[in-house]
Amino acid sequence: KQEVTQIPAALSVPEGENLVLNCSFTDSAIYNLQWFRQDPGKGLTSLLLIQSSQREQTSGRLNASLDKSSGRSTLYIAASQPGDSATYLCAASYGGATNKLIFGTGTLLAVQP
Amino acid sequence: KAGVTQTPRYLIKTRGQQVTLSCSPISGHRSVSWYQQTPGQGLQFLFEYFSETQRNKGNFPGRFSGRQFSNSRSEMNVSTLELGDSALYLCASSRDRGHEQYFGPGTRLTVT
Repeated sequence: KQEVTQIPAALSVPEGENLVLNCSFTDSAIYNLQWFRQDPGKGLTSLLLIQSSQREQTSGRLNASLDKSSGRSTLYIAASQPGDSATYLCAASYGGATNKLIFGTGTLLAVQP
Repeated sequence: KAGVTQTPRYLIKTRGQQVTLSCSPISGHRSVSWYQQTPGQGLQFLFEYFSETQRNKGNFPGRFSGRQFSNSRSEMNVSTLELGDSALYLCASSRDRGHEQYFGPGTRLTVT
């Protein structure tokens, strides 16, 4: 069964700290992996998309890596800010003729000013 | 360019009623997917439409159905509502499989 898990479930850090969020997937035949953030009661905002052929992607203070062999992806946030406080979700796509995403349970991040 | 839009944003329905939710994808996107988000189950895939054809379906009862129109707008319908259908319903659009997916703000459905 294809499953995605995220650890930790919640994280609280002081402003300015660098942090890493973890995402694990059981099936290494991944097509791509996407990271999202979700603010309370809102929809999902896409942060980064990593294709299976890529090792990492960067956008501003965010860097995501993908290691298919170990079934892991990490999202690195540099110099965290209170505005980064949100739930972070990773989602795996296994391709075929579909765009179906399998979501992790999320990491709730709180950045303390 | 305009993002994914969903209407209505909030709905309150009674058990046994039916409901229709609408999703307008980003211009040029032909794939629309629907997800149900609940505190207990997280985000679960409902179905995906591409060029008016259902391309994949999640593990939900037949009370959940959808369709896509020629302009790529999509609707999902839930018949005979149950209390457990209370959730945030999200739609996502993309150009095709393998492309970045963009989500709308969601429709918050409350069944009483």
